[in-house]
Amino acid sequence: AQKITQTQPGMFVQEKEAVTLDCTYDTSDQSYGLFWYKQPSSGEMIFLIYQGSYDEQNATEGRYSLNFQKARKSANLVISASQLGDSAMYFCAMRDGSGTSYGKLTFGQGTILTVHP
Amino acid sequence: DVKVTQSSRYLVKRTGEKVFLECVQDMDHENMFWYRQDPGLGLRLIYFSYDVKMKEKGDIPEGYSVSREKKERFSLILESASTNQTSMYLCASSGTGIRTEAFFGQGTRLTVV
Repeated sequence: AQKITQTQPGMFVQEKEAVTLDCTYDTSDQSYGLFWYKQPSSGEMIFLIYQGSYDEQNATEGRYSLNFQKARKSANLVISASQLGDSAMYFCAMRDGSGTSYGKLTFGQGTILTVHP
Repeated sequence: DVKVTQSSRYLVKRTGEKVFLECVQDMDHENMFWYRQDPGLGLRLIYFSYDVKMKEKGDIPEGYSVSREKKERFSLILESASTNQTSMYLCASSGTGIRTEAFFGQGTRLTVV
């Protein structure tokens, strides 16, 4: 069974600095996808970035980048130049790419990020 | 604009009641999901469906059932609501393909009294 672990319940960062949110995963599949979502206090879920298990390069989307270390089974989110609007809950998620659970999307516990001015 | 719509934003039900949470998507997605979100526990998958009338248990299916009679609609059913099912419920849908992101509804805050 696949599992996602986010070990940081809360993180604090100063505005304009970079921050790394940790995510480790466990799966026996060779093919899988990793996602990060942002949930502001309004409650909506916003997709940020995707990394495929066979992607050779780390994914980047604007100020978001994914530090993907396959051997360590980690997919940490890096937010550069933090802004006050980045304060939110962040979730890491994994999708099965094979087997009977194809398509299943599993989330971690989440990390609350607070950006200080 | 893509949309996943949950029938209620807030719901208060009594213990023992049968509760239906409805979710509709307009993106012709094959996959649909029901999660519950609790502080410190993140999003936990209750059930997901990969096709009409097809479903698979998630991590916490006990006390819940689901129905998917039409592609666009996925219902979560609490057969006999209990206070420990008080939570935020999130519905999501996605296409097939490992890269496809999931789109979420606005959530239903269910309180069982």
